[in-house]
Amino acid sequence: KQEVTQIPAALSVPEGENLVLNCSFTDSAIYNLQWFRQDPGKGLTSLLLIQSSQREQTSGRLNASLDKSSGRSTLYIAASQPGDSATYLCAVYTGGGNKLTFGTGTQLKVEL
Amino acid sequence: DTEVTQTPKHLVMGMTNKKSLKCEQHMGHRAMYWYKQKAKKPPELMFVYSYEKLSINESVPSRFSPECPNSSLLNLHLHALQPEDSALYLCASSQVNMGLTDTQYFGPGTRLTVL
Repeated sequence: KQEVTQIPAALSVPEGENLVLNCSFTDSAIYNLQWFRQDPGKGLTSLLLIQSSQREQTSGRLNASLDKSSGRSTLYIAASQPGDSATYLCAVYTGGGNKLTFGTGTQLKVEL
Repeated sequence: DTEVTQTPKHLVMGMTNKKSLKCEQHMGHRAMYWYKQKAKKPPELMFVYSYEKLSINESVPSRFSPECPNSSLLNLHLHALQPEDSALYLCASSQVNMGLTDTQYFGPGTRLTVL
């Protein structure tokens, strides 16, 4: 059974700091990996999708990398802002391609 | 338009009630999903529909009954729920390309409370 873990569980940083969120998964036979953000009580917003054949994806201040063989992905956020405060979830596609398993999440707070 | 809509936003029901959650997308996606999310936990997959056919049921109790009447609509019928079923229910949709999935787009969720 695929298990996805995110470290740290919570993170508080001052505005402007660059930061890295970590995601690890136990079964490397994934189709792709997706990073989401979730604001309290809200749905999920997709940030980046990395295909299993890719090493990284970039969108604005966000950069996600994937090392499939070691079962790891990182989300790099540059020049963090208070609006980045949210819970960040990674999720991997396994089991025929349309089964998404979520990580435990990292709750990020960016302070002024 | 990358929007997935869900109604209602909030639902309170008794254990003997029958209610339904509705999800709609107009992106032409042929895969639709139901997830359940408890407080401070990640979403857990419940059901997957692919081309309007149920392709995955994650051993969900029969008091939850999904329905996909057409490619744009997904319903979740609820009957005889338990208080522990109280959660945020999220709907999502995606393209299905060559048997693999594309980005999943999520709706805002329905906050369900079972009394």
